[in-house]
Amino acid sequence: DADVTQTPRNRITKTGKRIMLECSQTKGHDRMYWYRQDPGLGLRLIYYSFDVKDINKGEISDGYSVSRQAQAKFSLSLESAIPNQTALYFCATAVSNTGELFFGEGSRLTVL
Amino acid sequence: AQSVTQPDIHITVSEGASLELRCNYSYGATPYLFWYVQSPGQGLQLLLKYFSGDTLVQGIKGFEAEFKRSQSSFNLRKPSVHWSDAAEYFCAVGAPTGYALNFGKGTSLLVTP
Repeated sequence: DADVTQTPRNRITKTGKRIMLECSQTKGHDRMYWYRQDPGLGLRLIYYSFDVKDINKGEISDGYSVSRQAQAKFSLSLESAIPNQTALYFCATAVSNTGELFFGEGSRLTVL
Repeated sequence: AQSVTQPDIHITVSEGASLELRCNYSYGATPYLFWYVQSPGQGLQLLLKYFSGDTLVQGIKGFEAEFKRSQSSFNLRKPSVHWSDAAEYFCAVGAPTGYALNFGKGTSLLVTP
């Protein structure tokens, strides 16, 4: 089993729908992240969390929210999806002292 | 804040040829540096990392990278490319006091027969 698991792996939805992407990890890391990948733009940070009570915005948090339900679970929500949120989303965990990231397989979201 | 630039968007090399992917970073002190690879339809896998010490770092799959402080660079190299190396490569930079890695925009590698 993967150390960082994302569900769903693929999702097609319509504009205005609420979407949740879920992430769970078995690495025991406190730090968890959500990144968004778009062609030609690399990975951009949406939100990050250092523990259950610590949630922080990244560079592109508008239109997104997150929930850290437990040390091992970190979910990303799109309250009202729009087409420019069509992208590949990655959850990652990190080693605290170096920031080395461990990625999930990604969730491909298409908003029509 | 730290940042990273990958000057080459696409690179094409012949199988068996050598490879160098460029990465330049911006940070006032010694950063933490990483190279990740993303094969088609896959997540990101760590190739190698640099924190301190020996500036030539060996990674998986026969890759290596050299940290050059004077040039603010961390270029990735491989002496002989295999067709399976075709992928997207991302350089990332972090800081000892940072909260997250910053990624370059990636270099797409095509390997021709």
